[in-house]
Amino acid sequence: QVQLVESGGGVVQPGGSLRLSCATSGFTFSSYAMHWVRQAPGKGLEWVAFIRYDGSYNYYADSVRGRFTISRDNSKNTLYLLMNSLRAEDTAVYYCGGTRGYYYMDVWGKGTTVTVSS
Amino acid sequence: EIVLTQSPGTLSLSPGERATLSCRASQSVSSSYLAWYQQKPGQAPRLLIYGASSRATGIPDRFSGSGSGTDFTLTINRLEPEDFAVYYCQQYGSSPFAFGPGTKVDIK
Repeated sequence: QVQLVESGGGVVQPGGSLRLSCATSGFTFSSYAMHWVRQAPGKGLEWVAFIRYDGSYNYYADSVRGRFTISRDNSKNTLYLLMNSLRAEDTAVYYCGGTRGYYYMDVWGKGTTVTVSS
Repeated sequence: EIVLTQSPGTLSLSPGERATLSCRASQSVSSSYLAWYQQKPGQAPRLLIYGASSRATGIPDRFSGSGSGTDFTLTINRLEPEDFAVYYCQQYGSSPFAFGPGTKVDIK
């Protein structure tokens, strides 16, 4: 069955870095466009970043552009999010999601929690 | 950049009633690239509708989407107990692929 499992979350100090991973199985990852979406405690969903199925282009939210980098390894069926210069406002549950279609998200992981605090 | 607004913020209804949720975009959403998601506490979102009106796999037909341009609607006919949740719209026609702030459907 379709599985997406995020990992790499944790507690980090402001200014620090983390790399999130989203390991996938049960579908043809290399055919799927993928996103990262986050949700701060008690808040709504915030789209973070997107990468095309072949990694040929990507997009970022203004709030993370220049600090976060989305990438993928289709040989490992894994999506990544490298987060640098972390701020308190980056504290959230981070979800990966994707689609074989045009850029909505019909498969989702359960999320990993990132806490930025001193 | 397209900004989405959703109304109402909270909708209080009884099981069996119809829910009508609105999503308005600040600019026209190209090719009706508008999706609706349902989220329950502690869970990941679930895709309900894509392309403004196409139901995702496994979604009951009491959920329907409509609209184009800047105005979109999610209708839930005959609310079931499991439908009480938060609903988000998202446009994916142009980056940034923003979500709306959500509408909470709770039990009256």
